[in-house]
Amino acid sequence: GAGVSQSPSNKVTEKGKDVELRCDPISGHTALYWYRQSLGQGLEFLIYFQGNSAPDKSGLPSDRFSAERTGGSVSTLTIQRTQQEDSAVYLCASSLGSDEQYFGPGTRLTVT
Amino acid sequence: AQRVTQPEKLLSVFKGAPVELKCNYSYSGSPELFWYVQYSRQRLQLLLRHISRESIKGFTADLNKGETSFHLKKPFAQEEDSAMYYCALSGAGNQFYFGTGTSLTVIP
Repeated sequence: GAGVSQSPSNKVTEKGKDVELRCDPISGHTALYWYRQSLGQGLEFLIYFQGNSAPDKSGLPSDRFSAERTGGSVSTLTIQRTQQEDSAVYLCASSLGSDEQYFGPGTRLTVT
Repeated sequence: AQRVTQPEKLLSVFKGAPVELKCNYSYSGSPELFWYVQYSRQRLQLLLRHISRESIKGFTADLNKGETSFHLKKPFAQEEDSAMYYCALSGAGNQFYFGTGTSLTVIP
């Protein structure tokens, strides 16, 4: 079956612009995660959705970052007023509860 | 609080030599531990988990609750093992915590 997909694969934006990153999880997976992968920083947790529960936003680095998950499926991560330090690969993953996470290919964001 | 610690950012070993990637964790309760791997230009993927107690691609990892460690080991490293390795912990509420990763290079 289809895996986790993310779009766009690459995004170049100017500092100060807003961007939206999309994640399509595996159908039926109740949990969805967003991570940021920066060179030398490893994998940084951003936000976690589980079913209809309130999301765990504890990893969002600032109030410029927000995410939503509509209908328990597709999720969008929005970064407002982008800064150069937001440049990174943004990864989405989905899972069935605490089972294995399946990762998407990521979106490479470059803020110029 | 740092839940998963991978002390080595970079690790280089010669082909055929043993390799150990260290992982220590901090968590009260009974976590599940995982190792994920990312090969060049590929997605991050599960390598193994402690509850399955299996060997994948020659790698094994034993959960040591006394030392709160979950080190990844392979007796004879191969060039194709060169990749980024992440240790991860799953706790209550299905929250996942990843370490900062170790980049392994196997020298031919």
